[in-house]
Amino acid sequence: AQTVTQSQPEMSVQEAETVTLSCTYDTSESDYYLFWYKQPPSRQMILVIRQEAYKQQNATENRFSVNFQKAAKSFSLKISDSQLGDAAMYFCAYRRGNTGTASKLTFGTGTRLQVTL
Amino acid sequence: GAVVSQHPSRVICKSGTSVKIECRSLDFQATTMFWYRQFPKQSLMLMATSNEGSKATYEQGVEKDKFLINHASLTLSTLTVTSAHPEDSSFYICSAENNEQFFGPGTRLTVL
Repeated sequence: AQTVTQSQPEMSVQEAETVTLSCTYDTSESDYYLFWYKQPPSRQMILVIRQEAYKQQNATENRFSVNFQKAAKSFSLKISDSQLGDAAMYFCAYRRGNTGTASKLTFGTGTRLQVTL
Repeated sequence: GAVVSQHPSRVICKSGTSVKIECRSLDFQATTMFWYRQFPKQSLMLMATSNEGSKATYEQGVEKDKFLINHASLTLSTLTVTSAHPEDSSFYICSAENNEQFFGPGTRLTVL
């Protein structure tokens, strides 16, 4: 079974600074997807960024980027120029690759990010 | 695009009653929807996978007779919590698959 581990229950960053959230996972699959989701106080889950395992290039979405280390099974999220609106719970998630049908997500335990002035 | 709605957003019920939660994909069709449960300050736990036109697939430890799932159309899945008890109080989130999972805003259930 796949597992996703987030070892940082809480992190804090000053506005405009950079922070990195850690995530490791365990799988025997070679084809899979990794995601970072943001859950603000409204509790609406928002997709931040996604990475296909077969792609060597790290995904980037504006101020958000990942460091995907496939051999180490590590998938960290870097938030640059942090903003107050980035404060939220961040969940790392894993999904098996194309199976022909929808595949369920396995979530990590989450990291609560605080952004201070 | 890819909007998922849930109704109701909040519900309070008495112990022993049943509660139905609806999950709708508003601008796409979803053959598969997922139901999650989230306790305070915890992660999302998958309860079941809802497949249009067929029986739901429940995760280990989830009582299928207590959490009834119906996916009667390509845009609607319902979760019914039968004979609800206080321990069923939680935040329930659905998602719909459209190349990736899009999440509903969640339903807070409080059982008195």
